[in-house]
Amino acid sequence: RKEVEQDPGPFNVPEGATVAFNCTYSNSASQSFFWYRQDCRKEPKLLMSVYSSGNEDGRFTAQLNRASQYISLLIRDSKLSDSATYLCVVNVGSAQFYFGTGTSLTVIP
Amino acid sequence: EPEVTQTPSHQVTQMGQEVILRCVPISNHLYFYWYRQILGQKVEFLVSFYNNEISEKSEIFDDQFSVERPDGSNFTLKIRSTKLEDSAMYFCASSVLENNEQFFGPGTRLTVL
Repeated sequence: RKEVEQDPGPFNVPEGATVAFNCTYSNSASQSFFWYRQDCRKEPKLLMSVYSSGNEDGRFTAQLNRASQYISLLIRDSKLSDSATYLCVVNVGSAQFYFGTGTSLTVIP
Repeated sequence: EPEVTQTPSHQVTQMGQEVILRCVPISNHLYFYWYRQILGQKVEFLVSFYNNEISEKSEIFDDQFSVERPDGSNFTLKIRSTKLEDSAMYFCASSVLENNEQFFGPGTRLTVL
C-alpha cells in the first residue's frame, strides 16, 4: 500500500478556472502535511503547509481531514504560471517524509 | 534569502565508480535530507541526518550509500560503487525541526554509464 496517493492527472484547465487536488495518506500517525510544486526538472518548492484548521494563502487553500486521511489543495483563478506538478508530502515523524507521485496541472490560455 | 546549494549540478560517472554529491544546507537548519528522483518518477526519501548521525533511512539507502557532515557547512552523499539504476536527480533538503517545512537544493543530476 502506498504511503501517499495522488491522482496523477493531467488536469488541463482554462485560465481563471478553479481546480482542486486531493491526496490520501495511509499512516494515521502522520504528523505534518505539505503541498509543494515542482516545475519540470527542477527542485520541489514549498507551496504551503497544511494545518488542521485549514489555511489559505492568496489564491491557494489547503485543507486537512484527519478522520478520512486526506489533504486537499484548491487553486482559484488559475494563472498560466500555476502550470506545474503539485506534490503532496506527509511527515510520518522522526524526520521521514513521503511524497506522492504528483498531480500535473496545465493552465491553458 | 538563504537557500540550499548543491554541487555539482551534473555528474557523469562510469558504473562501479564512487561519487560524492555535495550540499550546503541553510545555516540555521538542524535536519538534513537526501532524496532521489528517477526521471518521470516520484521523489523518494533516502536519509535524514541530525546531530551528526543518521536519523532515519529508507530501504533504498543500503550499504552502498553513506552520508557525512565533514565540517560545519557541507553535507555529503557518497555512493560507493555506482550502478546504472543509480542514475537520477539527487536533491538535498534541510529543515529547522524534524517535522517542519523542508527547503530543497537545485539537485545534482547523476548519470551512470
